[in-house]
Amino acid sequence: EIVLTQSPATLSLSPGERATLSCRASQNVDIYLAWYQQKPGQAPRLLIYDASNRATGIPARFSGTGSGTDFTLTISSLEPEDFAVYYCQQRRNWPLTFGGGTKVEIK
Amino acid sequence: QVQLQQSGPGLVKPSQTLSLTCVISGDSVSSNTVAWNWIRQSPSRGLEWLGRTFYRSKWSDDYAESVKSRITIKPDTTKNQFSLQLNSVTPEDTAVYFCAGGYDSSGSAFDPWGPGTMVTVS
Repeated sequence: EIVLTQSPATLSLSPGERATLSCRASQNVDIYLAWYQQKPGQAPRLLIYDASNRATGIPARFSGTGSGTDFTLTISSLEPEDFAVYYCQQRRNWPLTFGGGTKVEIK
Repeated sequence: QVQLQQSGPGLVKPSQTLSLTCVISGDSVSSNTVAWNWIRQSPSRGLEWLGRTFYRSKWSDDYAESVKSRITIKPDTTKNQFSLQLNSVTPEDTAVYFCAGGYDSSGSAFDPWGPGTMVTVS
C-alpha cells in the first residue's frame, strides 16, 4: 500500500499570504495524484487531478506541481474561504489511498 | 451537473449489515466514462476508499483488501443508483460514508461527492 505523508500537519497563515502544502508518497505514483479541500461538515471537494490539472470551477490561485514521490499544492494568496483541511490522494496503485491532511488555519 | 444524494440508516447494530444508497442525477449509473465509489472517513482511519462499481461493456467492481470479504457495491439501473452493503460490522466501522463519482476525464479523481452519512455501529 502506498502511504502518503502530508506536511505540515497545520499551517497558520493570514489572508493574502501564500500557502505551500507538501505530499510525499512512499513509492512512485507518477503524476497520479489529486488534491482535495474539506471544510467542517462537508464532503471533500476536488481541486487538482493528475498532479497539476485544476478541476472545473477551481480558482487559478490553486496550483499543483510534482511527480514521482514529491508533490506540492500552492495557494498563491489565501482567501477567507480557503481555510480548511487539504488532502492528497493517489491512484497509481491499489488500494487508492489518501494522505492524513494539512489544516490551513487563520493566524 | 452531476449530483449525488445518499440515504440509509445512521445506526447499525454490531454483526449486522450496513446498507447505504447513492442516487445519481445528471448522469447514468451505466455511463462508460465514470466509476462509482464508496469512501469513508473516521478520526482513527482518516479517509479510506472502500470500493467501486463501473460499466465498460460489462459491469465490474474493485474493493479494498481491508473490507473485501465483507463488502458489496451494486448498481441499480432501474433507479439510477448504486448501493453499499458492508456485512458483519463492528464499532470500527463507525464513520462518515461518502459516495463519489470518478470520471475518466478528470483522472478518475473523486468528483462529485455525496453529502455523507454518519453511520454509528452500536
